[in-house]
Amino acid sequence: EDQVTQSPEALRLQEGESSSLNCSYTVSGLRGLFWYRQDPGKGPEFLFTLYSAGEEKEKERLKATLTKKESFLHITAPKPEDSATYLCAVHGSGAGSYQLTFGKGTKLSVIP
Amino acid sequence: KAGVTQTPRYLIKTRGQQVTLSCSPISGHRSVSWYQQTPGQGLQFLFEYFSETQRNKGNFPGRFSGRQFSNSRSEMNVSTLELGDSALYLCASSLDGKTAFFGQGTRLTVV
Repeated sequence: EDQVTQSPEALRLQEGESSSLNCSYTVSGLRGLFWYRQDPGKGPEFLFTLYSAGEEKEKERLKATLTKKESFLHITAPKPEDSATYLCAVHGSGAGSYQLTFGKGTKLSVIP
Repeated sequence: KAGVTQTPRYLIKTRGQQVTLSCSPISGHRSVSWYQQTPGQGLQFLFEYFSETQRNKGNFPGRFSGRQFSNSRSEMNVSTLELGDSALYLCASSLDGKTAFFGQGTRLTVV
């Protein structure tokens, strides 16, 4: 059974204070690891897909990296508008077709 | 390009009733998945449809069902509602089975 654990559960940063969010996973045959951003009361917004260890993706102040056991979402010089819950999900070959297993998320608050 | 559209956005139902939620995927996307999101359990997979066929189902009771139409639009139905069914129900569509794009969800409250 695929499992995803995200840490920390919550993170408060001052504006401009860089940090990283962690996503540890166990999966039988990784088909993809996904990062999403979710604002309160809204659906998850797609950020990145990573497929193999060593892969990195960047978008504005966000950078996602992947190893064989975990992924990191690095946030550089965050702004208040980066405040949201960040979700990590995996798609494993052991699961049925197109089933994502999600972590519980990290709630990020960026204070001005 | 229009995103995934879910209707209605909010719904209040009474225990024992049934409810139908609707999802229109991104144009050209043939895979539609449904997820339930609650504060305690997070996002949990309900089922996935591709070309009108259910290919995968999560660990939910038979009260939860769905279907997909020839235009890829999908509906999910929950019968005999329980208080614990109160949640945000999310629909996602995918073109290639690699990346899922989510709608804004339907907030269901069971009283």
